[in-house]
Amino acid sequence: DARVTQTPRHKVTEMGQEVTMRCQPILGHNTVFWYRQTMMQGLELLAYFRNRAPLDDSGMPKDRFSAEMPDATLATLKIQPSEPRDSAVYFCASARGGVGSPLHFGNGTRLTVT
Amino acid sequence: QQPVQSPQAVILREGEDAVINCSSSKALYSVHWYRQKHGEAPVFLMILLKGGEQKGHEKISASFNEKKQQSSLYLTASQLSYSGTYFCGTERANFGNEKLTFGTGTRLTIIP
Repeated sequence: DARVTQTPRHKVTEMGQEVTMRCQPILGHNTVFWYRQTMMQGLELLAYFRNRAPLDDSGMPKDRFSAEMPDATLATLKIQPSEPRDSAVYFCASARGGVGSPLHFGNGTRLTVT
Repeated sequence: QQPVQSPQAVILREGEDAVINCSSSKALYSVHWYRQKHGEAPVFLMILLKGGEQKGHEKISASFNEKKQQSSLYLTASQLSYSGTYFCGTERANFGNEKLTFGTGTRLTIIP
């Protein structure tokens, strides 16, 4: 079965450090999403891309978060500098694109900022 | 705008039925349903599209009331494996915009 691959699975870092999360979408999927999940806020959309172009990053704190797709097989989410409130599970998901396409989620990166 | 799910949590005995509801204040093009087990990623269950088309698993049934912007997920003869948190996600289809916004989830617990 094709799957979305996220690395690392777990990350513990100190406040102020840079964090980079990576995602390999399913081959042939042209839409990639980044979601953040916390108990309080649930699944929040941070940003998404179609054909590597950013379509919406309104959910992302611009001063410290950045998302890119250097190529069709890699999406990255960076936090610099990290803060304790960034602690959450970050999910990447991909879809074939177009309205009504199912999202396929990766296993997530569990980030803890101390 | 985040869709509203109800109930927030439900406990069932194996074999009982449940209905999970999802409503939006905005006009929708589609509603997605996902299930997430503890410590795992959300998994796709079903999509209901404006106009009546549905895509998903045969054993899952759901409805989409386009006039009320409401969707319901029907879980019948529940099994232990149905336990998890169910999320609805809604798409407001502006051209070229398939942003999916998730509800806060419904935690379903099935007991033997």
